[in-house]
Amino acid sequence: GENVEQHPSTLSVQEGDSAVIKCTYSDSASNYFPWYKQELGKRPQLIIDIRSNVGEKKDQRIAVTLNKTAKHFSLHITETQPEDSAVYFCAASMGGANSKLTFGKGITLSVRP
Amino acid sequence: DGGITQSPKYLFRKEGQNVTLSCEQNLNHDAMYWYRQDPGQGLRLIYYSQIVNDFQKGDIAEGYSVSREKKESFPLTVTSAQKNPTAFYLCASSIGTAYGYTFGSGTRLTVV
Repeated sequence: GENVEQHPSTLSVQEGDSAVIKCTYSDSASNYFPWYKQELGKRPQLIIDIRSNVGEKKDQRIAVTLNKTAKHFSLHITETQPEDSAVYFCAASMGGANSKLTFGKGITLSVRP
Repeated sequence: DGGITQSPKYLFRKEGQNVTLSCEQNLNHDAMYWYRQDPGQGLRLIYYSQIVNDFQKGDIAEGYSVSREKKESFPLTVTSAQKNPTAFYLCASSIGTAYGYTFGSGTRLTVV
């Protein structure tokens, strides 16, 4: 089955700097890659996603890039703010019958004021 | 609550008792999922259902059971066979298999 890994497990940046979180996946058939943000004690929320026919997608301060050859995708957050502090999960799915998202273990991002 | 409601928010049970966690959605989503979240473990899939009256085991199904009698509802029963049931349980739904999930606010189960 699919295996999704996130490294490192924690990341600390200064407010205003950029943060990059990288995920790798194992199954080349995966074609859908969402990112979720989970604030302390709250539910995970979808913040951006990308499909395999696209190399990059942006939404204001966040962007996701996909490298299908290397089987990795990354979340980029520019001009970080303290409210960006949270756990970020990446996931991958092949789509199709009986398919489901496989999540990474999450990375804790801390933005220092 | 975002279209998907989990209840209760906190649940305490004695060891050896079965307990059922509720998950209801009004998003008209076909697919529903149950995840367990433990510190440092990420989100681990317990069961999922892509259509009414059908469901599949996830990665950690042992000690759990589900039903999907209605499109809107996907209750999870934590049985006494689950060795370490204390955890945060998240329910989610989606339009289909390659679409983003909408999560409920979770149920924190503590077994004493």
